[in-house]
Amino acid sequence: EPEVTQTPSHQVTQMGQEVILRCVPISNHLYFYWYRQILGQKVEFLVSFYNNEISEKSEIFDDQFSVERPDGSNFTLKIRSTKLEDSAMYFCASSDRGRIMGYTFGSGTRLTVV
Amino acid sequence: AQKVTQAQTEISVVEKEDVTLDCVYETRDTTYYLFWYKQPPSGELVFLIRRNSFDEQNEISGRYSWNFQKSTSSFNFTITASQVVDSAVYFCALKNTNAGKSTFGDGTTLTVKP
Repeated sequence: EPEVTQTPSHQVTQMGQEVILRCVPISNHLYFYWYRQILGQKVEFLVSFYNNEISEKSEIFDDQFSVERPDGSNFTLKIRSTKLEDSAMYFCASSDRGRIMGYTFGSGTRLTVV
Repeated sequence: AQKVTQAQTEISVVEKEDVTLDCVYETRDTTYYLFWYKQPPSGELVFLIRRNSFDEQNEISGRYSWNFQKSTSSFNFTITASQVVDSAVYFCALKNTNAGKSTFGDGTTLTVKP
């Protein structure tokens, strides 16, 4: 079964540092997403990406965040100048052309900002 | 605006009991999709079911069943003869057919005791 792969599984960073979370979506998928889950809370939408540009973003996704598909296979989320409250599980997801199916989520990257 | 409400924060049952997880949603859209995801202690999000707004047929998959009632905007999930391995957080989610993002409920933590 095709998988969405996320690396690293856990990242610890110091407050103020930049982090890049990496995702390899399913190869024939065209839509890509990042979601965030603060510990013990619900899953929140951050951003969707299609055709090399952001198609939708939430109010959480401010100038501190950016996404990129640098090489046609990876999909990255960059968080600049991390804050303590950025500590969360970050999930990447991808979906097919129709976008009507449930996403395939990656197993997540747990980001801890200290 | 879309909203998903999972009023049950935590449920605890003894193995072999049946348990129903409630989900109530709000949307102005006439077409939409509803989902259930399972998040085991390991943290990943596991897709369980997708239901579109045109299809109110209930669905059964093994010990799992889903009851979609458009009239009450509910999409409830029942686990029959629960098992310890069913212990997890369960999320209900809503997606507009034209948008990429999903709106998640707060989740219900199910604990099944032996």
